[in-house]
Amino acid sequence: SQTIHQWPATLVQPVGSPLSLECTVEGTSNPNLYWYRQAAGRGLQLLFYSVGIGQISSEVPQNLSASRPQDRQFILSSKKLLLSDSGFYLCAWSGSPGNTEAFFGQGTRLTVV
Amino acid sequence: GENVEQHPSTLSVQEGDSAVIKCTYSDSASNYFPWYKQELGKRPQLIIDIRSNVGEKKDQRIAVTLNKTAKHFSLHITETQPEDSAVYFCAAPSGYSTLTFGKGTMLLVSP
Repeated sequence: SQTIHQWPATLVQPVGSPLSLECTVEGTSNPNLYWYRQAAGRGLQLLFYSVGIGQISSEVPQNLSASRPQDRQFILSSKKLLLSDSGFYLCAWSGSPGNTEAFFGQGTRLTVV
Repeated sequence: GENVEQHPSTLSVQEGDSAVIKCTYSDSASNYFPWYKQELGKRPQLIIDIRSNVGEKKDQRIAVTLNKTAKHFSLHITETQPEDSAVYFCAAPSGYSTLTFGKGTMLLVSP
């Protein structure tokens, strides 16, 4: 069966520090991968999605970037965190883009101080 | 792209009552409509979904109805229980690769 791993679960980082969140999927090949941010406990904002290795689409211009170095690995990064980057970050995958179930990772609670 | 509107933003009911959450979408070509439940501090999880070739789907106490002409779909929860308290999200396909989510409905079920 397919599983998705996301880590860390919680993270407290100072303003101006770098960020790296990692997500991996097991049990499937060529998944569609997504990074979402959820602020204030509501609203899933799509940040990035990827339909293949090295293919990244950005939905919202901001202080973050994403990379897909391997088929089942998706990384969210920042060179310098801002206070406004605080939130709940969720990685997700789906087998078929846009028209099948999306499976979410456990999420990372990021607090920028 | 797809635009998904979800109402209400908060819904309070007594245990045993029914709850209805409604969503509208803008792209008439959309053909897949999932509903997710997110408990506090946890990941969203699919609870039911419907495709555009049917008008209604049921799974025990939950059901989803779809009106393609009006471009809206609804989640119905009957005999609500305290454990149904959570944030519920609807979604619809956006372009080819993603889902657009509604802003969520916080459902509070009081004992």
